[in-house]
Parts: sequence; C-alpha cells; structure tokens
Amino acid sequence: GAGVSQSPSNKVTEKGKDVELRCDPISGHTALYWYRQSLGQGLEFLIYFQGNSAPDKSGLPSDRFSAERTGGSVSTLTIQRTQQEDSAVYLCASSSNVGQNQPQHFGDGTRLSIL
Amino acid sequence: KQEVTQIPAALSVPEGENLVLNCSFTDSAIYNLQWFRQDPGKGLTSLLLIQSSQREQTSGRLNASLDKSSGRSTLYIAASQPGDSATYLCAVRNTDKLIFGTGTRLQVFP
Repeated sequence: GAGVSQSPSNKVTEKGKDVELRCDPISGHTALYWYRQSLGQGLEFLIYFQGNSAPDKSGLPSDRFSAERTGGSVSTLTIQRTQQEDSAVYLCASSSNVGQNQPQHFGDGTRLSIL
Repeated sequence: KQEVTQIPAALSVPEGENLVLNCSFTDSAIYNLQWFRQDPGKGLTSLLLIQSSQREQTSGRLNASLDKSSGRSTLYIAASQPGDSATYLCAVRNTDKLIFGTGTRLQVFP
C-alpha cells in the first residue's frame, strides 16, 4: 500500500510568514510523529499523536509551532512567524499503534527554507 | 537524558568489503532500537528493528546486534555494494519517541 505522504516536498518562504506542512500517514496507522532534521541538530522529535490527541508535545521548540490531527488521519504542522532557524527538513512518521514494538515508517519530508 | 552516538561519522570503502557500523546509547532502559537508511533528499527507510529482549536481527546482507546492558548496537553489512551508499541512522526508543544518532555516511565505490 501507499507509504507516508508529505506535502509540499519543498517550501521556500520569507521570514515572518506562516507555513503549513501536511502529513498523510499510512492508512490505518493510529500513531503519527513529527521530527525535524537540521544540520546543526540532527534528527529531533517534535510531537506525536495517538488518534487525534497529542500526549507528548515536548519537542516543539517554541509556541510558534503547533500541530493538529483530524479524523485520526491527516496531520498539519503549522509554524507561525517563521524565523531563519526554522529552516530544516520536517519528517513525518506513522506506526500501527503507539505500542513500543511497532516500527515507525517515514515520509520523504518537507524541506523548508526561510529567506 | 538519552544520548545516541554513531561511529564512524563517515566511511568510504571499495565494493565487496564487509562493514561494521557502531551505535552507542547512554540509557539502557530502551524498548527497542531501529536502524534506518537515508538517501540524499529522501526520508528514512527502516532496515531492522531489534526489541529490547532480542540480541540480533537479520535481513538479507544486513545483521544488527544489540547489547542493551553495555548500550551498544552494531550493523553489519556483508559484501557491500555501491547501492549501499547512504547515511545510516540508529535510533532508540524508551518512551513514545525515537532518539536518533547523528548517522554514519557510507560510500561504497566500484
């Protein structure tokens, strides 16, 4: 079946603008994760969802970052008033449940560049 | 705080060699450890997942071992091929999220 789908694949925007990144998980996967990959920080966790609720938002770097998930499927990561340090690849992953034994499957990411 | 380290950071070898990539972690209280491959401009492809109760997993030319008590895992690649060229990441899970190493960039030349 189809894998994790993310859009857009690339986004270039000016500092101060808001951006929305979309993740469509594998059908039937209840757990969804957002990660960020940047040159200086490597790959770091942002937030995860179990169904539509987000039990762990501990990785969100500031209150400019928010995420939601509706219908237990598609998730949107929103960054308000973007800054240059937000430039990174944003990766989404899903797994069949939040249990510890399930592997996470990743999308190809959205490459975000803030000018 | 869990920290994950990968050695070496980069590796360049001729085709046909057997390779060992290393991953170490500071907190042994993990659920599992996962090895990924990342090609340039792409997401992560899961290679192997080892549960905390397991010692190793094998898939084709890949073999991953886990020594939880010493905080170490190795990824063994047999008979390397140019198509194996990529960045290899290990990640440990001890809560709901994965904690990643910084990766090993592998180049296999013909």
